[in-house]
Amino acid sequence: ELKVEQNPLFLSMQEGKNYTIYCNYSTTSDRLYWYRQDPGKSLESLFVLLSNGAVKQEGRLMASLDTKARLSTLHITAAVHDLSATYFCAVDRGSQGNLIFGKGTKLSVKP
Amino acid sequence: DTGVSQDPRHKITKRGQNVTFRCDPISEHNRLYWYRQTLGQGPEFLTYFQNEAQLEKSRLLSDRFSAERPKGSFSTLEIQRTEQGDSAMYLCASSFGRVKGVVEQYFGPGTRLTVT
Repeated sequence: ELKVEQNPLFLSMQEGKNYTIYCNYSTTSDRLYWYRQDPGKSLESLFVLLSNGAVKQEGRLMASLDTKARLSTLHITAAVHDLSATYFCAVDRGSQGNLIFGKGTKLSVKP
Repeated sequence: DTGVSQDPRHKITKRGQNVTFRCDPISEHNRLYWYRQTLGQGPEFLTYFQNEAQLEKSRLLSDRFSAERPKGSFSTLEIQRTEQGDSAMYLCASSFGRVKGVVEQYFGPGTRLTVT
């Protein structure tokens, strides 16, 4: 059974600091997705990582994928308050595209 | 607005009642997914349609749950004899299918169900 684990589950950061969120998954997959969810809102797609060594960056967020280690990271650079949200990683189960999500990392960026 | 829409956005019902939710996907998308999200958890897959065919159902989808997509466009999710454990956010997503290895799902705003 495919499992996706994120850590930490809660992260309180000061503005301007850097931090990394980790996403481990239990079986082979070369498609990994990162989503953002604001309180009471739906999910917004951030990144799609398709192959080993893939790296994508958007603003202060950078995501990478190591399929051999079954690990993806979401790195936050110089955090700002607007990044406060819950971040989910999800792994594609297979041909149907059904996603298995981690429990999410709730990020709070404080001044 | 051409995104995924869901109706209603909020539903409060008493235990034992039936509820039905609707999802309108992005018009050209042939795949439609239902997920359930409880507080503090990630979304959990419930079921998936390609056009009007329901191709997969999760073990989470008990016999009290039924989903349809009669004309391959909108979909409904019905929960019969609701229980307090059904309280959750029900999310709908749609996609165009696999493009260059990616099935990019676009999520709707969700329907929050509270069973009292």
